[in-house]
Formats: sequence, C-alpha cells, structure tokens
Amino acid sequence: RKEVEQDPGPFNVPEGATVAFNCTYSNSASQSFFWYRQDCRKEPKLLMSVYSSGNEDGRFTAQLNRASQYISLLIRDSKLSDSATYLCVVPRRNTDKLIFGTGTRLQVFP
Amino acid sequence: EAQVTQNPRYLITVTGKKLTVTCSQNMNHEYMSWYRQDPGLGLRQIYYSMNVEVTDKGDVPEGYKVSRKEKRNFPLILESPSPNQTSLYFCASGGAGAGDTQYFGPGTRLTVL
Repeated sequence: RKEVEQDPGPFNVPEGATVAFNCTYSNSASQSFFWYRQDCRKEPKLLMSVYSSGNEDGRFTAQLNRASQYISLLIRDSKLSDSATYLCVVPRRNTDKLIFGTGTRLQVFP
Repeated sequence: EAQVTQNPRYLITVTGKKLTVTCSQNMNHEYMSWYRQDPGLGLRQIYYSMNVEVTDKGDVPEGYKVSRKEKRNFPLILESPSPNQTSLYFCASGGAGAGDTQYFGPGTRLTVL
C-alpha cells in the first residue's frame, strides 16, 4: 500500500459545482498536512494546510480524520480557474521527509 | 520578491556527462529539498537539507549528489547521468523543516539521451 493515496481522477465538473477529494495516508503522526495545487507541469503551490480542527479559506475547506487516516478537500462553487491537479502532502513519521500523493486532476467546464 | 530559482530550466544532455542544476532561495530558509516528478509516480524526494552542511537522503537518492555550503544554495549534481534520470526536477525550500510551507522553484526539465 502506498503511503499516500489519491484518486487520480480526472474529476470533470461544471462551473458552480461542489467537488470533494479524499486522500488516505499511513505512516504519519504529523500535526499538519497539506494540499498543494499544481497547474500543468508547473511548480506546486500551497493551497491549504490541514490541522486537526480543519481549515477553511473561502470556497475551500480541508479536513483531517486521524482515526481513519484521511484528509479531504472540498471546493464549493467551482471556477474554471480551479482546473488543476491537487496534491496531498504528508510528513512521514519520525523523519523530515515529505510524501506527495500522485495528485487528483480537476477539470471544470463551462 | 521571495522566490526559489533554478537553472537551467531545460537541459538535454548525453549519458555520462556530468551536470549540475543550481537552486537558490532568498527567504533565509533552513530546509531545502530536491524532487523529481514522473508521470504516474508523483513527486519523489531525492535529497533534503536541514541546514548548512547537513544533508540527507530522500526516497530516490541513487545517482544524485547534493551539497549545502551556503544557506541559500542547494545544487543537485548528476555525476554520470543515465536515461532513467530523464524527468522534471523541482527544488523547494521551506522554513525550518518539512512541516512548514514549501516554496518550489519553476522546475528543470532534463532529458538524458
């Protein structure tokens, strides 16, 4: 089993839709996890940090479920500009290493 | 402007010809790392550094070397490149460790013939 697993998609949704991604992980006891956004073959950029209490930023909500070892990202009122690949990132237990999921691709259409 | 720079952005080379990809950050970050990104495999960490003169292997270090003589620079060295090192490479820096926001350079697309 991979340490970080994501549904690769693509998720094709119309503008205005709500879409949710999940990410399951193992081998981490971190206090914080991350969602990064990557546009086609460009550098990843931080979208949100995810803490035990969850995190909300405008249309984006991230939640952490430690018991089930998954992280979720909810995007409300999707925009065309949300089209990208969303990477789940997990610090590996007892190390200074980061493990990246392979990403979930989102395509928002008009 | 806070940034991570990488050079070159594109490189085509031949097997066995030593090359260096430079990485520099202006944010005074202690933590820096190198990743390679391949289709279907995502980003995989090659090496990371917690501070000057402190480097450690990531998950795919074979065939690569790094050095951290100055805080701002973290070059990636391929002593004898092979075709299986053809990939998209990203340098990143992030605060004091892996738990901090990582800032990525624009990427270096390397082709080894």
